[in-house]
Amino acid sequence: EVQLVESGGALIQPGGSLRLSCAASGFTFSSYEMDWVRQAPGKGLEWIGYISSNEKNIYYADSVKGRFTISRDNAKNSLFLQMNSLRVEDTAVYYCARLWETPPYYLDYWGQGTLVTVSS
Amino acid sequence: DIQMTQSPSSLSASVGDRVTITCRASESIRNYLNWYQQKAGEAPKLLMYGASSLQSGVPSRFSGSGSGTDFTLTISSVQPEDVATYYCQQSYRIKSFGQGTKLEI
Repeated sequence: EVQLVESGGALIQPGGSLRLSCAASGFTFSSYEMDWVRQAPGKGLEWIGYISSNEKNIYYADSVKGRFTISRDNAKNSLFLQMNSLRVEDTAVYYCARLWETPPYYLDYWGQGTLVTVSS
Repeated sequence: DIQMTQSPSSLSASVGDRVTITCRASESIRNYLNWYQQKAGEAPKLLMYGASSLQSGVPSRFSGSGSGTDFTLTISSVQPEDVATYYCQQSYRIKSFGQGTKLEI
């Protein structure tokens, strides 16, 4: 059974840093591309980033570019989201999701999400 | 960036009704259009991919159509368990989601 479990969410002050993790199991993690998606309280879904299976290609939404960094450790079946210079508007539930690797590239499995609250 | 616009933002239906949600892309995305269902307090779940392919395990009352810029998600006979917010997503270039359509019964 495919499982994605996010962790690391917390209450953090503006300007602070936080690292989220996503533990994958039930599939060959190293073969799959992964995305991060977030959802602010009461709002819709926002795609924030993508990482290829071998880490050679990483893309970010403009809203987080230069502040967030996506990485992965295929040996540990783990995906990471390093968030720096956090802003109040980064408050959201953060989801990791597995990307089906052939067109049309859909997100077929999602974690349960982890809440990040940025507030003073 | 490709903008995705869904309509309506919300709708109310009765059990057994036929419901249609539309999604429009700001430029052609061919069939790189996916639909997700999100129930309250849960993670999103994939419903349809490639505009018209039903994800495994999803009831056949769900269907999708469209290509290019205009897409629809149809529920042929709405059931109580379909109460959720539905999102379209384009995966043609730097993914983006529609703003969501909240379905109430």
